[in-house]
Amino acid sequence: DAGVIQSPRHEVTEMGQEVTLRCKPISGHNSLFWYRQTMMRGLELLIYFNNNVPIDDSGMPEDRFSAKMPNASFSTLKIQPSEPRDSAVYFCASSTANYGYTFGSGTRLTVV
Amino acid sequence: RKEVEQDPGPFNVPEGATVAFNCTYSNSASQSFFWYRQDCRKEPKLLMSVYSSGNEDGRFTAQLNRASQYISLLIRDSKLSDSATYLCVVTQTGANNLFFGTGTRLTVIP
Repeated sequence: DAGVIQSPRHEVTEMGQEVTLRCKPISGHNSLFWYRQTMMRGLELLIYFNNNVPIDDSGMPEDRFSAKMPNASFSTLKIQPSEPRDSAVYFCASSTANYGYTFGSGTRLTVV
Repeated sequence: RKEVEQDPGPFNVPEGATVAFNCTYSNSASQSFFWYRQDCRKEPKLLMSVYSSGNEDGRFTAQLNRASQYISLLIRDSKLSDSATYLCVVTQTGANNLFFGTGTRLTVIP
């Protein structure tokens, strides 16, 4: 298995632009999570899905952030418009139960 | 108050030393406990689960104290390759998501 696949690995964009991060979970995993990691705040859960349904999006910072999971093998996290304070590493993770999370390699986002 | 709190370190120890990290959690209903390891510019990876009776995996020993709501990780005979950030992680009853501490950074020095 290729693990959790995220793209792009790195993204540099200008303030105000739309950014779309992509994630392909491990086949058979029914839960998918989006996390954001910064030096100041550590790893923060943004949103998670069970069986493609958003369960908890209370961590989404504001309306500029949105996430979708149209099917079991694909999810997107979109930021529109992006701001410099959104600069962080965004991780996607998937799991089958309350154990054994597998993280993707992350997307390092820089908004200038 | 944060769900999970850890001393950020850094801990700088010589090779062969024993080092211990502690972590406290705020919700007494927390159900499952883990230690994750994160190398620089990499994703977190599961190091070990933490069981109420304590558990050991080679040079690593994890302990849970529910009464005091803290979790510990002990690393014996430290290796250079143990240098990383160690993240304390808890889940809560009925919830599927993990709560991460901000991590404790360890550097093992030759």
